[in-house]
Amino acid sequence: KQEVTQIPAALSVPEGENLVLNCSFTDSAIYNLQWFRQDPGKGLTSLLLIQSSQREQTSGRLNASLDKSSGRSTLYIAASQPGDSATYLCAVSPVTQGGSEKLVFGKGTKLTVNP
Amino acid sequence: NAGVTQTPKFQVLKTGQSMTLQCAQDMNHNSMYWYRQDPGMGLRLIYYSASEGTTDKGEVPNGYNVSRLNKREFSLRLESAAPSQTSVYFCASSEASWFLQETQYFGPGTRLLVL
Repeated sequence: KQEVTQIPAALSVPEGENLVLNCSFTDSAIYNLQWFRQDPGKGLTSLLLIQSSQREQTSGRLNASLDKSSGRSTLYIAASQPGDSATYLCAVSPVTQGGSEKLVFGKGTKLTVNP
Repeated sequence: NAGVTQTPKFQVLKTGQSMTLQCAQDMNHNSMYWYRQDPGMGLRLIYYSASEGTTDKGEVPNGYNVSRLNKREFSLRLESAAPSQTSVYFCASSEASWFLQETQYFGPGTRLLVL
C-alpha cells in the first residue's frame, strides 16, 4: 500500500528565507506527484503537478523536484513571505490504483513565515 | 465561474441521524471525489466518480453512500451518523482520467460534528 510521508510536520521561518519541504513515498510506481496548499479552514489549492517522466516543475517562486527511483520530492520556496503561511500537502497517483485520477495524500507540513 | 461548491458549510448531527452533503462543479469535469480530513490522518478518499452514472469506493467507504446525479453534482449521504464520522468533508473535481493527468479542484469543505 502506498504511503506518503511529509517531514517536518511543522516549520517556522523568518520572512525572506529560502526553504525546502520534503515528501517521500513508498512505491515508485506512480503516474504523478502533486503539491497542494491549504489555508486554515479552506479547501486545497493545486500548486504543481509533476508527471512521473519529469524531474521538476516551476511556478513563480516555487520549484518542485521529483526523484521517482528514491521515492522523494521536494518543494522549494524562494524568498518566503508571510502570505506563504499555510499547510502544504504532497500527493501521489499510484499506478496500482488504476488510472491517474486517484490520489494518496501525505499529512502535510504546516509552514509559518514570520514577518 | 464558482468552481466547486459545497453545502452546507457546517452541520451538527445527533448519532443515528441522516444527512446528505451536496457538491456541484461548473468546470464540466468528468471526475468527482469525496474526501474526509481528520487530524493526524490526512485526506482519505471516501468515494469517487469517474463519469456520470458511475461510482467507486475509495479507502474509507463504510457508512457512506454516494450519488452522481448528473455531470455537475455528486452527493454524499450518511444514513446513520456516528461520532466517528465527525470530520471535515471535501469534494473535488478533475478532468483526470485513466490516461489524462490533471490536478484536482477542491471545494471549501463541510465541517460535520456528530454528537
